[in-house]
Amino acid sequence: QVTLKESGPALVKPTQTLTLTCTFSGFSLSTSGMRVSWIRQPPGKALEWLARIDWDDDKFYKTSLKTRLTISKDTSKNQVVLTVTNMDPVDTATYYCARIGGCSRTSCYIDYWGQGALVTVSS
Amino acid sequence: EIVLTQSPGTLSLSPGDRATLSCRASQSVGSTYLAWYQQKPGQAPRLLIYGASSRATGIPDRFSGSGSGTDFTLTISRLEPEDFAVYYCQQYGGSPQTFGQGTKVEIK
Repeated sequence: QVTLKESGPALVKPTQTLTLTCTFSGFSLSTSGMRVSWIRQPPGKALEWLARIDWDDDKFYKTSLKTRLTISKDTSKNQVVLTVTNMDPVDTATYYCARIGGCSRTSCYIDYWGQGALVTVSS
Repeated sequence: EIVLTQSPGTLSLSPGDRATLSCRASQSVGSTYLAWYQQKPGQAPRLLIYGASSRATGIPDRFSGSGSGTDFTLTISRLEPEDFAVYYCQQYGGSPQTFGQGTKVEIK
């Protein structure tokens, strides 16, 4: 059974760095073909893909946010970490980690989602 | 990046009705690189359809997907009470993957 769960602060101040941890089970990121993404959803708005990390440590970022995002993995702990620097109120959103189900040559769809973590940016 | 436009924004239907949701891409996403997700309030999205027409594991056959290129459709043949939710399409033929803004299926 595949499960993913996000953890991290519910509230951050503007300019601070957000660190979110995704702890998963039911698969291993050391297995060829496995990938995990982060997606966010501002309140009442649509979903936005942020970043992806692959089994071979390849990393991909949304171009417009690339300078602020870092994704990493700890295979031994079954965890993926996302950091977002210089947080702003517009970054207020529910942040999801998710397992990738399959890909084209360039992008992927998701087969399992975490429950999401609401992060509010406010002073 | 590829922009996905979903229509209508809201669909007001009754249980037992047929629902037809549209997703149009600003450029071709390829023949099959489209997925559909269902999201209920306070919950994470759930994968319904991938590859434009393949149902995900455990998804009832009242859900079906069709289309290619720039025009895709999700059809729910007979709405069950648990189907009232927001539905998102997502393309993964271009980089980055992008999502539509959603169609809310509400009880009439």
